[in-house]
Amino acid sequence: DTEVTQTPKHLVMGMTNKKSLKCEQHMGHRAMYWYKQKAKKPPELMFVYSYEKLSINESVPSRFSPECPNSSLLNLHLHALQPEDSALYLCASSQVLLYGYTFGSGTRLTVV
Amino acid sequence: KNEVEQSPQNLTAQEGEFITINCSYSVGISALHWLQQHPGGGIVSLFMLSSGKKKHGRLIATINIQEKHSSLHITASHPRDSAVYICAVRFSGGGADGLTFGKGTHLIIQP
Repeated sequence: DTEVTQTPKHLVMGMTNKKSLKCEQHMGHRAMYWYKQKAKKPPELMFVYSYEKLSINESVPSRFSPECPNSSLLNLHLHALQPEDSALYLCASSQVLLYGYTFGSGTRLTVV
Repeated sequence: KNEVEQSPQNLTAQEGEFITINCSYSVGISALHWLQQHPGGGIVSLFMLSSGKKKHGRLIATINIQEKHSSLHITASHPRDSAVYICAVRFSGGGADGLTFGKGTHLIIQP
């Protein structure tokens, strides 16, 4: 298995909802990443997990809460989002000391 | 500031033309990635380079570490190559670090 699988592919949520994005990989990668991509912009790093521990948090608002329950799974919990949070959320994984990246196909999030 | 610059930002060409997209960066890197993204889609990794040259089908990627420059070439371009091509680098250092992305090159190949 050489893929990063993200679910759901599309999500529409209200500003008072709580939802979660999921990311899964079975390549034995011990680094996992969340990126946010607005339309016609490059991805922006949100969080990095290394060996299931949060190693980088790029000053992301607390309405985004990451979780890495095990070495294969990465979640992003969403609560009280704003319409400006609408974007494509990309998950990626890599080996920690090697540099090949694998990206998921993303979750297209719309906040209404 | 660690920066990644891509050129051109937009490129329209005719089917069959040879395409070159350039990427330059400001400080030392441990790896450079060329990525492809179709409209509304996820990102596909095309190449990862730390030195030299790599080839996959009609795609060729080169990197010059001394000049801090990389190029992506597409030979015999086809309309299905139309996409955004993104250069991304992992700046030197250990551990798990995120990528720094260029702004992308929007490529359109006309039949």
